[in-house]
Amino acid sequence: AQSVTQPDIHITVSEGASLELRCNYSYGATPYLFWYVQSPGQGLQLLLKYLSGSTLVKGINGFEAEFNKSQTSFHLRKPSVHISDTAEYFCAVGAGGNKLVFGAGTILRVKS
Amino acid sequence: KAGVTQTPRYLIKTRGQQVTLSCSPISGHRSVSWYQQTPGQGLQFLFEYFSETQRNKGNFPGRFSGRQFSNSRSEMNVSTLELGDSALYLCASSSGGTGDYGYTFGSGTRLTVV
Repeated sequence: AQSVTQPDIHITVSEGASLELRCNYSYGATPYLFWYVQSPGQGLQLLLKYLSGSTLVKGINGFEAEFNKSQTSFHLRKPSVHISDTAEYFCAVGAGGNKLVFGAGTILRVKS
Repeated sequence: KAGVTQTPRYLIKTRGQQVTLSCSPISGHRSVSWYQQTPGQGLQFLFEYFSETQRNKGNFPGRFSGRQFSNSRSEMNVSTLELGDSALYLCASSSGGTGDYGYTFGSGTRLTVV
């Protein structure tokens, strides 16, 4: 069965520091992979997605992620975070039939 | 271009009652999916509708049902509410092609069962 693991429940970083949010997946075939962000009380906003092609994917607001098939990972990175990046981040895998399987999420706090 | 609209935003119901949630997709989108989000179970797929037909279903009891109308608007119904049904229910729409994960999510309906 498909699954997504986000090992970090909470992460706190200082404004201006670099960020890496980890995501590992389990899927039998070549996966479709996604990162979403959720602000409190809001829905999910797509940051970026990997469907095929280049393993380095660039998304909105300066985020990027790299698909690593051998390590079954899709880590999210940002060179310099801002206070406004404080939110919860979800990694997801497309599980067939247009269904998404989500990880448990990582709560990011950016402190000034 | 209007986004995905979910109504109502907040709902309080009593255990044993039933509830209907509504989702209006982005204009032109034919697929609507529903997800339940709880602190304990996270985000879980409920079902997907495409052209008024349920195309995919998650592992939820039969108390959870849905439908889609000819204008692609979708409703989700939960009967005989339980305390554990308290959750944020998210709707997402896409154009609906197979393998099309171009979802746009709504802001959700926060259901509290007391």
